[in-house]
Amino acid sequence: EAGVVQSPRYKIIEKKQPVAFWCNPISGHNTLYWYLQNLGQGPELLIRYENEEAVDDSQLPKDRFSAERLKGVDSTLKIQPAELGDSAVYLCASSLVRGPGELFFGEGSRLTVL
Amino acid sequence: AQSVTQPDIHITVSEGASLELRCNYSYGATPYLFWYVQSPGQGLQLLLKYFSGDTLVQGIKGFEAEFKRSQSSFNLRKPSVHWSDAAEYFCAVGARAGAGSYQLTFGKGTKLSVIP
Repeated sequence: EAGVVQSPRYKIIEKKQPVAFWCNPISGHNTLYWYLQNLGQGPELLIRYENEEAVDDSQLPKDRFSAERLKGVDSTLKIQPAELGDSAVYLCASSLVRGPGELFFGEGSRLTVL
Repeated sequence: AQSVTQPDIHITVSEGASLELRCNYSYGATPYLFWYVQSPGQGLQLLLKYFSGDTLVQGIKGFEAEFKRSQSSFNLRKPSVHWSDAAEYFCAVGARAGAGSYQLTFGKGTKLSVIP
């Protein structure tokens, strides 16, 4: 069974440029998460989807961040414009159950903003 | 709101030695507790979880953890560490965030180094 797939693995951009990250969850997993992981820190939730619906986006900085999950499968996280402080790893995870079950994580997308 | 504290930022142990990583949580109800491991450049992998029942839970790779409600702790242990265990370890608590939904909150992690 394929795991959670994220791309790109690495992205280097200049500040004020846009960037997008893509996530393909495990087949059949209805719940999808985007986490932000700063260097030396634990993951912090940005947004959680139940199918197509964003059920928790309270931590998503909506002035520059946006996310979508069309058709309840793949998801895209976008930053526009990027700032220096956005340099981090963006983790996607998915789970089969809606409750506090196991989350399966992708390898992450490491963003460097110059 | 729930929170997780991992007091040790970095721990170094010799290969073959025992290991205990500390985790304390704050949550008003019965928590769902997890330990994840992250190798460099990789995503997080679940080691074990506690939802209810036996307070000593076994996980993969020879790890175990014990839930102690009186101490609000969920420490991770391994009797004999292998060099391949060098990684970052994250404790997490799952708590209700609303009707039918849950939020997973992670600690800041403990980096484990293993001396051959």
